[in-house]
Amino acid sequence: DTAVSQTPKYLVTQMGNDKSIKCEQNLGHDTMYWYKQDSKKFLKIMFSYNNKELIINETVPNRFSPKSPDKAHLNLHINSLELGDSAVYFCASSQEGEGTAVYQETQYFGPGTRLLVL
Amino acid sequence: GQNIDQPTEMTATEGAIVQINCTYQTSGFNGLFWYQQHAGEAPTFLSYNVLDGLEEKGRFSSFLSRSKGYSYLLLKELQMKDSASYLCAAMDSNYQLIWGAGTKLIIKP
Repeated sequence: DTAVSQTPKYLVTQMGNDKSIKCEQNLGHDTMYWYKQDSKKFLKIMFSYNNKELIINETVPNRFSPKSPDKAHLNLHINSLELGDSAVYFCASSQEGEGTAVYQETQYFGPGTRLLVL
Repeated sequence: GQNIDQPTEMTATEGAIVQINCTYQTSGFNGLFWYQQHAGEAPTFLSYNVLDGLEEKGRFSSFLSRSKGYSYLLLKELQMKDSASYLCAAMDSNYQLIWGAGTKLIIKP
């Protein structure tokens, strides 16, 4: 069973379109994340979200919005796509526990969604 | 500000040992993670250190010195499949992970 899954795996679209990427985790984790990994392979946190708090990286444009229908899902919606949005987007999850146990904050990553904006 | 430094790229020979260093500066500290990422794949968890010292897991070991803001990942008996990027990430006082840019490890026969 896949622990963290994302769809689609590949997404090719035109500038200006609106698209969504879905993420699901079956680990029972409380916190989910979205990362952007650009061509230089640097992982940049975009959002972290649990049932209590949404933490937004202030550098993320408001065209990006996370939507969580329930604890196991955190979808990423992107409006008015731009060329610079082309990247690999990773979803991840971890158990909330404020680091009180070893490995408790370990993040498990989905396979990634390769977005290409033309 | 918060910062993670690690070498961009390293090359080693199959069967040898390699040490990948990482220095960090964070607001508070709640542990240091190492992840492995093969090309085109997702990062996968390797190790977690929160106390000073060496943690050994098979061919991989990770070391932490909190006073120096320093960690290293030691890979022994290198295999071709170890060719990957190795990401260092430190957890700050808000339990947010601060990621390094990764070290690309190239293994040569």
